[in-house]
Amino acid sequence: QKEVEQNSGPLSVPEGAIASLNCTYSDRGSQSFFWYRQYSGKSPELIMSIYSNGDKEDGRFTAQLNKASQYVSLLIRDSQPSDSATYLCAVKRDNDMRFGAGTRLTVKP
Amino acid sequence: KAGVTQTPRYLIKTRGQQVTLSCSPISGHRSVSWYQQTPGQGLQFLFEYFSETQRNKGNFPGRFSGRQFSNSRSEMNVSTLELGDSALYLCASSLPRGLYNEQFFGPGTRLTVL
Repeated sequence: QKEVEQNSGPLSVPEGAIASLNCTYSDRGSQSFFWYRQYSGKSPELIMSIYSNGDKEDGRFTAQLNKASQYVSLLIRDSQPSDSATYLCAVKRDNDMRFGAGTRLTVKP
Repeated sequence: KAGVTQTPRYLIKTRGQQVTLSCSPISGHRSVSWYQQTPGQGLQFLFEYFSETQRNKGNFPGRFSGRQFSNSRSEMNVSTLELGDSALYLCASSLPRGLYNEQFFGPGTRLTVL
């Protein structure tokens, strides 16, 4: 079992729709959770961090964490073509950060 | 505030050579982590440095090494290059705030081994 698993995608949604990205992790001691966006040929860019159970909203982005289910998700509302990228889930325990393989999202105009 | 910088941005080397990559963290950030990214393996953790000490290490052979200087700048070295070392090497810096350790990535160094 991979330490951090994401749906490999690709995920395709129409412009204006909600994109839902999911991530599960195996280490119950994980403490911090992050979502990064990576455009093709670029480096990852931090878009959200979440540390406690529940929802955290930032603009069009909402991160959801459920530690009991070892599950973290990212919702993108009103998806735009500029949101087309690979989204990486990262999970941290102490000084150890682990990344998922990423989900490629395409938002079609 | 300037972001993380990495030099060089692109490198072409041949098998058996060695290479040194450099990373300058965001001002005030004292923790630097290195990652290797390939299409097949994704983002893999190499090592992390804090206050000139390696604090954590990933599962890479000893050919991969690094160091951090007193100004928090970091270098990584790969000796005896292999074709499989071709990858994007990413550096990320963070404030060492323990649990709330958001990492910010540099643009990366694209290494091609021929």
